[in-house]
Amino acid sequence: DTGVSQDPRHKITKRGQNVTFRCDPISEHNRLYWYRQTLGQGPEFLTYFQNEAQLEKSRLLSDRFSAERPKGSFSTLEIQRTEQGDSAMYLCASSPFGVGELFFGEGSRLTVL
Amino acid sequence: AQSVTQPDIHITVSEGASLELRCNYSYGATPYLFWYVQSPGQGLQLLLKYFSGDTLVQGIKGFEAEFKRSQSSFNLRKPSVHWSDAAEYFCAVGIYNQGGKLIFGQGTELSVKP
Repeated sequence: DTGVSQDPRHKITKRGQNVTFRCDPISEHNRLYWYRQTLGQGPEFLTYFQNEAQLEKSRLLSDRFSAERPKGSFSTLEIQRTEQGDSAMYLCASSPFGVGELFFGEGSRLTVL
Repeated sequence: AQSVTQPDIHITVSEGASLELRCNYSYGATPYLFWYVQSPGQGLQLLLKYFSGDTLVQGIKGFEAEFKRSQSSFNLRKPSVHWSDAAEYFCAVGIYNQGGKLIFGQGTELSVKP
């Protein structure tokens, strides 16, 4: 399968714990995006990378959130000191340069107890 | 600011009936427009996209959409709905000068009656 893959698919954690999600984009895509989706809502943009550079961060990305793409390939999204409001589906997408289709992974669902 | 509005949160249609899902956008320049579909617990799959040219675009699974600049709309249509079309549908606008990110509407949930 050469699509976007995300890991883990599901994560249950207790409030205050740290969690990390990984995204492996389509190999030739140089842009990578993170979105958050809560129940009944559309995906909300969090941040994006062009190669290894993080070029934009949404106001939604509080200082407890950090994203990296160290070698311009896979990316990680870490949430520190999780809160119940962080419970959501975290979607990763990739695309080649320019405006075009974003290819989405199946998402990582986070539940904070 | 760029935004996408999907006025209908939930629509129910009978199998075999026609379908139209509404989408209105707000964007200062020429829009790049998309429709995605999401099944429960899954990621998003592209149905179709509009970049330029013919304002009626064809997509997968028998869907089509029409771009109307005067109405700032990009409505999705299907002439005959199948039970397998039940899902959540999202309209999105692409922001060229912001890394090609997409701004999504809140979605329309489609239920199909037998």
